[in-house]
Amino acid sequence: DTGVSQNPRHKITKRGQNVTFRCDPISEHNRLYWYRQTLGQGPEFLTYFQNEAQLEKSRLLSDRFSAERPKGSFSTLEIQRTEQGDSAMYLCASSLEQQGHEQYFGPGTRLTVT
Amino acid sequence: AQSVTQLDSQVPVFEEAPVELRCNYSSSVSVYLFWYVQYPNQGLQLLLKYLSGSTLVKGINGFEAEFNKSQTSFHLRKPSVHISDTAEYFCAVILISGYSTLTFGKGTMLLVSP
Repeated sequence: DTGVSQNPRHKITKRGQNVTFRCDPISEHNRLYWYRQTLGQGPEFLTYFQNEAQLEKSRLLSDRFSAERPKGSFSTLEIQRTEQGDSAMYLCASSLEQQGHEQYFGPGTRLTVT
Repeated sequence: AQSVTQLDSQVPVFEEAPVELRCNYSSSVSVYLFWYVQYPNQGLQLLLKYLSGSTLVKGINGFEAEFNKSQTSFHLRKPSVHISDTAEYFCAVILISGYSTLTFGKGTMLLVSP
């Protein structure tokens, strides 16, 4: 069990550029979650997958955000035309379907939009 | 919808002193409760959880929490803190029934000084 991994750990980009983050969940976990954490706030839910199906998206997930989990394993989160307000820590978590409350978090990707 | 309130944004304490971090929640249905810890530039680590049974739950690193249904509280305690406990602590809830995601409080920064 190597835990949840996320890449890159840090990303600095200029406003208007596109960025993509990757999350590799714990291997046997079929649920995968994305959260966003801004300074001074707790994590906020963005979206959730069960296997390859994206089952829910938060209202926080604007049209510029898209997430995929093509083979039910790793997931990517893409932000198009980044804005300064997108600067945040993006956290990924995974769980077993039968234990959806037991979410294991990765180290996060810190995005800075300049 | 459920919500979590962490009443203190920062709690300064001296090493070896006891500490209590407060958490109150609001939900129209039953929830599971969690405390997570986040060290600088790291993801979230589960400290402890309340699912059912005894209302006093023990977690890692000597922390414990007590679920009080009538007061809708889940306060975190440690009888004697260490410098290494300096971190951000998040209280979170998840609905028991069906699919759900974690709802977090804004966090409490525990600052332990010598």
